[in-house]
Amino acid sequence: DAKTTQPPSMDCAEGRAANLPCNHSTISGNEYVYWYRQIHSQGPQYIIHGLKNNETNEMASLIITEDRKSSTLILPHATLRDTAVYYCIVRTQGAQKLVFGQGTRLTINP
Amino acid sequence: DVKVTQSSRYLVKRTGEKVFLECVQDMDHENMFWYRQDPGLGLRLIYFSYDVKMKEKGDIPEGYSVSREKKERFSLILESASTNQTSMYLCASSFAQRGRNEQFFGPGTRLTVL
Repeated sequence: DAKTTQPPSMDCAEGRAANLPCNHSTISGNEYVYWYRQIHSQGPQYIIHGLKNNETNEMASLIITEDRKSSTLILPHATLRDTAVYYCIVRTQGAQKLVFGQGTRLTINP
Repeated sequence: DVKVTQSSRYLVKRTGEKVFLECVQDMDHENMFWYRQDPGLGLRLIYFSYDVKMKEKGDIPEGYSVSREKKERFSLILESASTNQTSMYLCASSFAQRGRNEQFFGPGTRLTVL
């Protein structure tokens, strides 16, 4: 699986959009971009995934650049409950395991 | 909503004890996984199962065994607990079908071995 690079930490004001970047310059054609988050002392939570088109669900939007070397997770109206570590993962659809890097610790401030 | 439950949130055991961690999912998922999570080491796969009575070793299976007698239940067994098995244990499940195989996690069991 390709390696990902994320900033170690970010801050965002409550009610604003939180934009979390991820670099995956070695991604191959059959690898998807997945995002998970982990709130303190809880299990990871699946957020969204995509291949090359932008994706949106009830939790977030995922923007993938045309060359697929980077992506951005957008939480449109961040709340205090969105404070968590966010993990960007690149994996093939057939891969069995998830490999979490260090992630981005996002803090939402009141 | 997908629900993955684990038998305990916190567990304290003594060295040499046999430890059972239970995981149950209610989404009829084919795949189930056991990971451990340690500071600085991220998530590491111990074992996974893609069907009843089927299992595959992950990256760190030593000291662990698993059991899957029913589709909804996946058990992790520490045959003789040791202090280096103190960790957060996470169970996950997913469909096997490509395009639907995102993994859903339980709340975790924080195991301390004294």
